[in-house]
Amino acid sequence: DAGVIQSPRHEVTEMGQEVTLRCKPISGHDYLFWYRQTMMRGLELLIYFNNNVPIDDSGMPEDRFSAKMPNASFSTLKIQPSEPRDSAVYFCASSLSQGLQETQYFGPGTRLLVL
Amino acid sequence: AQTVTQSQPEMSVQEAETVTLSCTYDTSESDYYLFWYKQPPSRQMILVIRQEAYKQQNATENRFSVNFQKAAKSFSLKISDSQLGDAAMYFCAPRGGGSNYKLTFGKGTLLTVNP
Repeated sequence: DAGVIQSPRHEVTEMGQEVTLRCKPISGHDYLFWYRQTMMRGLELLIYFNNNVPIDDSGMPEDRFSAKMPNASFSTLKIQPSEPRDSAVYFCASSLSQGLQETQYFGPGTRLLVL
Repeated sequence: AQTVTQSQPEMSVQEAETVTLSCTYDTSESDYYLFWYKQPPSRQMILVIRQEAYKQQNATENRFSVNFQKAAKSFSLKISDSQLGDAAMYFCAPRGGGSNYKLTFGKGTLLTVNP
């Protein structure tokens, strides 16, 4: 299996621009998670989906952030407009709800820098 | 809500020696799961080991083992025969039971392995 795929791996943009991060989960997984990692706040869950439906978006910082999962093999996290404080590493993870043994497998992350 | 405390921001160990990383957590749930992830300089999040709270037996994965003390809400990670490749940031992450799929990450412990 190819694992969780994220693109782009690095993104540099200017404040005010729209940023779209992409994720392809592991085939067959029914849960997808978006995390953000910063030095100040550590790793925090932004939102997660089950069978393409958002289950918990309480971690989404504000309305500038939105996430979609149009199908089982693709999800996006969009920031519009971006701000310097959004600079972070964004991880996507997926898991399979197989009994109680699920484990989240992480993608390589997207390093975002907003100037 | 769950809280996680990793009281050792940094640890170091000599190659081939044993090191233990500590983690305590707080949860109101009786059924939950616990994970250790490592994050090497590449920033990839890699699962090290997992433990189901309902199991009394401590989990082991090759050189990695845990000491799970449910009553004390403690979940330490022991790395035996440390190798240079073990150098990474280690995160403790409990997950709720049932339909609660949220992982809560600690601040992490940076492990250095000295040759």
